[in-house]
Amino acid sequence: DTAVSQTPKYLVTQMGNDKSIKCEQNLGHDTMYWYKQDSKKFLKIMFSYNNKELIINETVPNRFSPKSPDKAHLNLHINSLELGDSAVYFCASSHLGSYTFGSGTRLTVV
Amino acid sequence: DAKTTQPPSMDCAEGRAANLPCNHSTISGNEYVYWYRQIHSQGPQYIIHGLKNNETNEMASLIITEDRKSSTLILPHATLRDTAVYYCIVRVADSSASKIIFGSGTRLSIRP
Repeated sequence: DTAVSQTPKYLVTQMGNDKSIKCEQNLGHDTMYWYKQDSKKFLKIMFSYNNKELIINETVPNRFSPKSPDKAHLNLHINSLELGDSAVYFCASSHLGSYTFGSGTRLTVV
Repeated sequence: DAKTTQPPSMDCAEGRAANLPCNHSTISGNEYVYWYRQIHSQGPQYIIHGLKNNETNEMASLIITEDRKSSTLILPHATLRDTAVYYCIVRVADSSASKIIFGSGTRLSIRP
């Protein structure tokens, strides 16, 4: 009964490939997010969706495209992967300011 | 969202209280103080939040000064499992457009 689940947990891929990370929450929250944590351990917000609508879009290359088929899911598709995309990506959902994070997807681009 | 300032690292002996300070001198009247922690390689975990009054739950206590410009997170009896990076964040609670901005946090090490 995981609250926020991400798949896959680990992803190793070559430069130039296209990959997706999936996120699902069973908390009934209206808002979902993607965060990126780089090798220096800074957690930075990338996107936020509220009821399937994009409401926050930080300065992220347009190779990154979030998709929310319904309010329980927020997937992240990344085109033409680059070495600098290697990081841990966290999905989160929130209700009234309280966030629940997934366990992260460690993406390694080689 | 207002900015917060935390010491980069602290340590505490196991079984003692860990007191983690946070300065948020530019906090607005409608912004809450939130604390999260990130244990190595895991997603950040919500600990506690408050607006003006002190708060306590099963994990920790939050003491907010009367002028709301600083706060302290207290872990009453620290264990080795409390070793983590602790983030103090201020934000408007009920706005879906208000995002959590993580600073660099305080790396808390618990000594056996």
